[in-house]
This record gives sequence, C-alpha cells and structure tokens, in this order.
Amino acid sequence: GEDVEQSLFLSVREGDSSVINCTYTDSSSTYLYWYKQEPGAGLQLLTYIFSNMDMKQDQRLTVLLNKKDKHLSLRIADTQTGDSAIYFCAETSDSWGKLQFGAGTQVVVTP
Amino acid sequence: GAVVSQHPSWVICKSGTSVKIECRSLDFQATTMFWYRQFPKQSLMLMATSNEGSKATYEQGVEKDKFLINHASLTLSTLTVTSAHPEDSSFYICSAERDNYGYTFGSGTRLTVV
Repeated sequence: GEDVEQSLFLSVREGDSSVINCTYTDSSSTYLYWYKQEPGAGLQLLTYIFSNMDMKQDQRLTVLLNKKDKHLSLRIADTQTGDSAIYFCAETSDSWGKLQFGAGTQVVVTP
Repeated sequence: GAVVSQHPSWVICKSGTSVKIECRSLDFQATTMFWYRQFPKQSLMLMATSNEGSKATYEQGVEKDKFLINHASLTLSTLTVTSAHPEDSSFYICSAERDNYGYTFGSGTRLTVV
C-alpha cells in the first residue's frame, strides 16, 4: 500500500520555530493534511494543501509541499506550550476520500 | 461549521459483551463516514467506510461480523464491537467529510475491555 512517513519525535524550545516533516509515496495524492491530536482527544484539522500548490500560510502555520520529492512540511512559528501534541500528516487521492495517515510526530515544547 | 459528535467518550465493558459507539454529524449531512482505530502511540488505521443506506466497506483484515457498522441516516453512523475481548481495547475515532470543510473528526471513544 501507499506509505506516509514522519519522524516520531521533536523537541523545541518555547518561542522557537518547529518544523515537522512528512514524506509520502502516492504520486496521485491530491489533498494533503496536517492534524493535531492532544492526549485522549480526537483529531483537529490544522491546515491542508492541494497538490497544485507549493506553499500555504495560515497565521503561525506554514505548509510547504515539494511534489517532486513527495515531501510535506509544517512550520509552526513562535511555538507555544499549547502546541505540545502529536501531529499527523495525511493524504488522500481516491474518490472515496480515504485518508492515509503517517504515524504521527510527538512535539514537546520546553520552556 | 462542521461538527461531528462521538459518544461515549470512554467505556469499560466486560469481555464477551457488545458496545455501541455513535457518531453524529450535528450541522451537516454526511453520506459517508469513516471509522478509525488507533493503538497507543500509533497512527490511525482506517477500519471501514460507512455509507448511508448501504453496507459498509471494510478494510482488509477487519472482521465484518465483529465490528458492525450501521449508517441508517444522513447524520448518524454507529459502530458496534460485538463479543468484545481485551485485544479490542483501543481508541476508536469517526470522521465525516463536508464540502469546503474537509474531514472533521469526532473526539474519539476509548474502549477498555476487562
């Protein structure tokens, strides 16, 4: 099957920028998403990007897409303690809208 | 907005009993809902796609008779874990897609089978 891979852990100091990386293998991916999951909770959609875009910015969040390398990143500017969570990237390419998730990156923000 | 409500948020049941989890789209109609399972410190795995008025489509390796899905209306899908066993203990999450809002997820249900 198609794979989505992420690094498992990221530690960042409060106020610094965080960059979470994701790679995928499906060249027909049309939508790529970033979700945030806090402990014991469901997933919260942070942002998404269409495959015909290479960048999207939304307040503190910047998504970069390198379609040639099948690489997606999420940059969080001025990282806060409330940003500590697990971040999942996901992609979909088929008409049923099934999402393929990465394993998640745990982000820990230290004072 | 696009709100998906999932209930219960947690449940403990005895081995051999059945548990029903509800997923409701509160402010939109969802012809398709998705059920995921998440093991500790792992990603979400799609279990099945629930289609209103028809049978669910299960992913490979998911037991249809064990995880019963019913999508009787445009706003409600249910997942019933039948004859639950400790290995069914997990975090179950539903989601629905709404035009222009992408996928919205429920808050999840933590099932513990003792």
